[in-house]
Amino acid sequence: DAGVIQSPRHEVTEMGQEVTLRCKPISGHNSLFWYRQTMMRGLELLIYFNNNVPIDDSGMPEDRFSAKMPNASFSTLKIQPSEPRDSAVYFCASSWGVRAKNIQYFGAGTRLSVL
Amino acid sequence: LAKTTQPISMDSYEGQEVNITCSHNNIATNDYITWYQQFPSQGPRFIIQGYKTKVTNEVASLFIPADRKSSTLSLPRVSLSDTAVYYCLVGANDMRFGAGTRLTVKP
Repeated sequence: DAGVIQSPRHEVTEMGQEVTLRCKPISGHNSLFWYRQTMMRGLELLIYFNNNVPIDDSGMPEDRFSAKMPNASFSTLKIQPSEPRDSAVYFCASSWGVRAKNIQYFGAGTRLSVL
Repeated sequence: LAKTTQPISMDSYEGQEVNITCSHNNIATNDYITWYQQFPSQGPRFIIQGYKTKVTNEVASLFIPADRKSSTLSLPRVSLSDTAVYYCLVGANDMRFGAGTRLTVKP
């Protein structure tokens, strides 16, 4: 398996623009996670899907952020409008199996810069 | 939610054994303990997982005492390439990574 695939790897945009990050989880995995990492705040969980259904979105910063998982093989994280403080590395991870022993497999991340 | 506490940073030298301890006083009965490693510009990578006593794989060992309120990740004979941030996570409900432990291996 190719692992968790994220695109794009790098994104540079201007404040106010819409940004869409994409994730393809590992085939057969039933949970998907979106994280954001910055030097100041570390690795933050934004949202968690199980069987394509959002389970916990308490980490989503505000209404400018939205995430979807239309099927088991694809998810998007959208920021509209983007702001400079959204600059970070965004990771997607997927996992399978019993929740109590969840092992997450991470993608390479998308480095977002909002100017 | 089980909360974890780890040292912020540790230094070591090549060839030494490194032990990183994580405290998780509120661990639930069915929670597993999972450790991840993260290199700069990469996503975290699974290292090892355990429930009780000792688990060993080709990368590390994980020691868990009987009360399971802490765990220790042991890295044998570290090299410069083991310089990374190490995270301890407990259970599946606490999917929030803490600050982790920044391990620096010196020559």
